[in-house]
Amino acid sequence: AQSVTQPDIHITVSEGASLELRCNYSYGATPYLFWYVQSPGQGLQLLLKYFSGDTLVQGIKGFEAEFKRSQSSFNLRKPSVHWSDAAEYFCAVGAGNNDMRFGAGTRLTVKP
Amino acid sequence: KAGVTQTPRYLIKTRGQQVTLSCSPISGHRSVSWYQQTPGQGLQFLFEYFSETQRNKGNFPGRFSGRQFSNSRSEMNVSTLELGDSALYLCASSISETQYFGPGTRLLVL
Repeated sequence: AQSVTQPDIHITVSEGASLELRCNYSYGATPYLFWYVQSPGQGLQLLLKYFSGDTLVQGIKGFEAEFKRSQSSFNLRKPSVHWSDAAEYFCAVGAGNNDMRFGAGTRLTVKP
Repeated sequence: KAGVTQTPRYLIKTRGQQVTLSCSPISGHRSVSWYQQTPGQGLQFLFEYFSETQRNKGNFPGRFSGRQFSNSRSEMNVSTLELGDSALYLCASSISETQYFGPGTRLLVL
C-alpha cells in the first residue's frame, strides 16, 4: 500500500521569505499526488495535484510543487510567504479508486 | 458549483449514544469518502462509497457505518459513542481521482 511521510511537523518562516515543505511517498507505480491546506477548524482545500506530465505543477495561492521520481518526493514551494498562509499542510498519495493516504501534516507559522 | 456540505457542523453527545452525520457532495460527484481527524492520529480513512456501494473501508470498528443514497448524498453513523470518538469528521466527494472536502462536523463526546 502507498504511504506518505512529511518529515517536518512544524515550520516557522518570516513573512516574505521562501517556503519549502517536504513530502516523500512510497508507492510501486506512478502515484497521484496532492497537496491540501487546512485552516483551524476547517476542511481541507486542494492546492494542487500531479497525475502525469510536466513534473512542476502550479497551484492556487502562488504555490507550486515538483515531482521527483528518483527521490520519491513531491515538495511544495512558495517564493514569498504571506501571513495568511499560516495553516496546516497535508501531502497525499493516491493509488486509484480514491484510495488515498495522507501524511501527518506540517504546521506552518508565519512570523511578521 | 456549490461545494461539499456537511451537517451538522457541531455536535455534542454523551457516551453510549449514537450519532448520524450527513454529507452532500458536489453535483455530479458519485464518490464520497469519510475521514476522522484527531490531533493524535491525524487523518484516518473511514470508508468510501461509490454509486451506493461501499468500495473501500478503513480500519475502524463496526460501530462506524455509512451509506450512500441514489442522489449521492451520504450519511455516516457511529453507534455506542466512546470518548475517543471525539474528532472532526470530514467528508470528501471526488471525481477523476481528486477529492474535495467539506468543512467537517466537529463531534464532542462527553
